[in-house]
Amino acid sequence: EDQVTQSPEALRLQEGESSSLNCSYTVSGLRGLFWYRQDPGKGPEFLFTLYSAGEEKEKERLKATLTKKESFLHITAPKPEDSATYLCAVQAPGTASKLTFGTGTRLQVTL
Amino acid sequence: NAGVTQTPKFQVLKTGQSMTLQCAQDMNHNSMYWYRQDPGMGLRLIYYSASEGTTDKGEVPNGYNVSRLNKREFSLRLESAAPSQTSVYFCASSPREGQNEKLFFGSGTQLSVL
Repeated sequence: EDQVTQSPEALRLQEGESSSLNCSYTVSGLRGLFWYRQDPGKGPEFLFTLYSAGEEKEKERLKATLTKKESFLHITAPKPEDSATYLCAVQAPGTASKLTFGTGTRLQVTL
Repeated sequence: NAGVTQTPKFQVLKTGQSMTLQCAQDMNHNSMYWYRQDPGMGLRLIYYSASEGTTDKGEVPNGYNVSRLNKREFSLRLESAAPSQTSVYFCASSPREGQNEKLFFGSGTQLSVL
């Protein structure tokens, strides 16, 4: 059974204080790993897809990396507007539309 | 840009009542999905429709039915609501099914079953 574990559950940073969120996964052959951002009362919003170990993608202050067992979402010099819950999901071959989601990391960035 | 629109945003039901959650997308996407999100658990797939005219069960289909009315609309029906169905429900769509797809989510329906 595919599993996704995210840590920490919650993270509080001061503005400008860089850190990383972790997503550990167990899947029988990874087809894709996805990062989403979810604001309170809203649906998740797509950030990145990573396909193979060693791949990296960046968007503004966010950089996602992937190894064979985990993915990291690095947040550089965060701002209060980066406060949100960040979700990780994996897709295994043959599962078509079925993504397995983690429970998320709730990030709060304060001034 | 409307994207994925869900109605209603909030609903309170009594045990045994029925209701239909509506979802529509205006992005001409082929695939549509219904997820539920519960505290301490990841998003879980209830049903999905890879293309117009097809529907398939996801991880937690019991107690639910779906209808893909046309390419734009995908509804979720609770025939006899139970307290275990208290959750936040999200509809999502994607351009095509099964190929490392990127999902576009609606803003959710918060459902309470008393």
